[in-house]
Amino acid sequence: DTAVSQTPKYLVTQMGNDKSIKCEQNLGHDTMYWYKQDSKKFLKIMFSYNNKELIINETVPNRFSPKSPDKAHLNLHINSLELGDSAVYFCASSQDRVTSQFFGPGTRLTVL
Amino acid sequence: KQEVTQIPAALSVPEGENLVLNCSFTDSAIYNLQWFRQDPGKGLTSLLLIQSSQREQTSGRLNASLDKSSGRSTLYIAASQPGDSATYLCAVPKSNFGNEKLTFGTGTRLTIIP
Repeated sequence: DTAVSQTPKYLVTQMGNDKSIKCEQNLGHDTMYWYKQDSKKFLKIMFSYNNKELIINETVPNRFSPKSPDKAHLNLHINSLELGDSAVYFCASSQDRVTSQFFGPGTRLTVL
Repeated sequence: KQEVTQIPAALSVPEGENLVLNCSFTDSAIYNLQWFRQDPGKGLTSLLLIQSSQREQTSGRLNASLDKSSGRSTLYIAASQPGDSATYLCAVPKSNFGNEKLTFGTGTRLTIIP
């Protein structure tokens, strides 16, 4: 199936730990994104990559580090997890910077 | 700073009815406007994208309109079905040159009553 996939779907961890969320798209898109959806369901852009290059970093703490090994992957690594990092993280991709975005199913991160 | 508002926050209608969801934005200098649906526990699905030069877009039973000057968009759903139950989000890009930095509204949770 052609899609945007994320792993894991659920992630429960202790404060202070380091964790990674992986995202892959097989749609041949050039642009990929990470979004955070908080408990109030508000969705906010975190990062955008175009052809493996960082385009947007929306005032995200430097504990969050995206890595794009190739155009099909955009992984999110989070250091020293805090309670406030608990949220659903969505990966998305688009053909380029002007077309519709396709979203992954989300990763629900719970920090205890 | 762009602000996107969706009213109402929740809406319940009987199956078969036509309905309209509203989206308003404060900065009319937008590149496009997109409508998404989000099912519980799932990601977002893009429904319609209206370019700033367009006034409406249609896909099946869905019709989205855009009035840039008044900062409004509507999503019209005809002959609603229980499968239409979801949260509907509108979003506009912050940049006038691309699709990054989407600012999302808080959504309207739609329930279609069988």
